[in-house]
Amino acid sequence: GDSVTQMEGPVTLSEEAFLTINCTYTATGYPSLFWYVQYPGEGLQLLLKATKADDKGSNKGFEATYRKETTSFHLEKGSVQVSDSAVYFCAALNDYKLSFGAGTTVTVRA
Amino acid sequence: EAGVAQSPRYKIIEKRQSVAFWCNPISGHATLYWYQQILGQGPKLLIQFQNNGVVDDSQLPKDRFSAERLKGVDSTLKIQPAKLEDSAVYLCASSLARKWDEQYFGPGTRLTVT
Repeated sequence: GDSVTQMEGPVTLSEEAFLTINCTYTATGYPSLFWYVQYPGEGLQLLLKATKADDKGSNKGFEATYRKETTSFHLEKGSVQVSDSAVYFCAALNDYKLSFGAGTTVTVRA
Repeated sequence: EAGVAQSPRYKIIEKRQSVAFWCNPISGHATLYWYQQILGQGPKLLIQFQNNGVVDDSQLPKDRFSAERLKGVDSTLKIQPAKLEDSAVYLCASSLARKWDEQYFGPGTRLTVT
């Protein structure tokens, strides 16, 4: 079946630092790719998505590009804020099933 | 628009006891999902309903887990008897029919089995 591997955490950064979280997938065919975010005490929320190769998803200053050649969908943000502290999950959708990575905990210090 | 509601938010039981979780999806969402999220892992799909029919329950441990979605709205997930390894957060999500790429998640129920 499909699988998603993402960078292990936790990641601790200072405000305004650059954030990157690596994500690679193994799948049959070409899945749609997603980043979900889980803020403390809240449910999972969709952060961004891309449905085909070379698509770039973006939201709230975060970006990720669907790279078919490297089967990757790395998440980046140029300048993080304390409010970006959360757990980030990479996911792949094939047919009707979402497969999630293990999550990366990000803490941003003021 | 109200989100996906789940209850209870927390539950502590002893092994071999039974427990039930409830989920109320977003109004009009025909598809409902139950996920299990073990600490340190990503959510894993347990069962998916389309209205009140099961689309996929291949990852549901059917010897102890059961789920139903009567009338195609609310859903209940039950564990009987619980094992220590069932300790996890149980997430419910919903989406419009076949909009698997737009799932909305509830806050989850954190289960601790002692």
